[in-house]
Amino acid sequence: GENVEQHPSTLSVQEGDSAVIKCTYSDSASNYFPWYKQELGKGPQLIIDIRSNVGEKKDQRIAVTLNKTAKHFSLHITETQPEDSAVYFCAAWKAAGNKLTFGGGTRVLVKP
Amino acid sequence: EADIYQTPRYLVIGTGKKITLECSQTMGHDKMYWYQQDPGMELHLIHYSYGVNSTEKGDLSSESTVSRIRTEHFPLTLESARPSHTSQYLCASSDWAAYNEQFFGPGTRLTVL
Repeated sequence: GENVEQHPSTLSVQEGDSAVIKCTYSDSASNYFPWYKQELGKGPQLIIDIRSNVGEKKDQRIAVTLNKTAKHFSLHITETQPEDSAVYFCAAWKAAGNKLTFGGGTRVLVKP
Repeated sequence: EADIYQTPRYLVIGTGKKITLECSQTMGHDKMYWYQQDPGMELHLIHYSYGVNSTEKGDLSSESTVSRIRTEHFPLTLESARPSHTSQYLCASSDWAAYNEQFFGPGTRLTVL
């Protein structure tokens, strides 16, 4: 089955700096890669996603890149703000498996 | 407003009790999921359903059971709770689109004494 590894497990950045989270996946058939943000006391919420036919996608301060050859994808948050503090999960999905496989999560702390 | 609900939000019970965690969604989604989230954050899929009368076991073995009698309702039951069941339980739903966003409920934090 699919295996998704996520690094780092914790990330502390100064407000205004950038944060980068990296994920690798094992199954080359995976073709959809969403990122979820989980705030304290809440369930995860989709913040951005990328499909396998796209190399990069951006939405305001967040961007995701995908390297299909290397089977890795990354989340970039620029100009971090205290409200970006949360746990972030990457995930991979393929049609055959019909379910998402999540990475282990990254706890991001933005220090004011 | 379309949403996904979980009750109770917090539950503290004694060993041996039977419990049911409720999950309901108003989005008309066919697919629903239960995840167990450990203190280390990782999400483990324990059950999922493709629609009414469909239930499947997930990647992580669980002593819990689920049922799907109505599209909008996907309850999880523990016949005899144990301290090892202490965890956060998250319910989610999605539609049948090829790239399907999963919508998560707020979770139930279960503590078994």
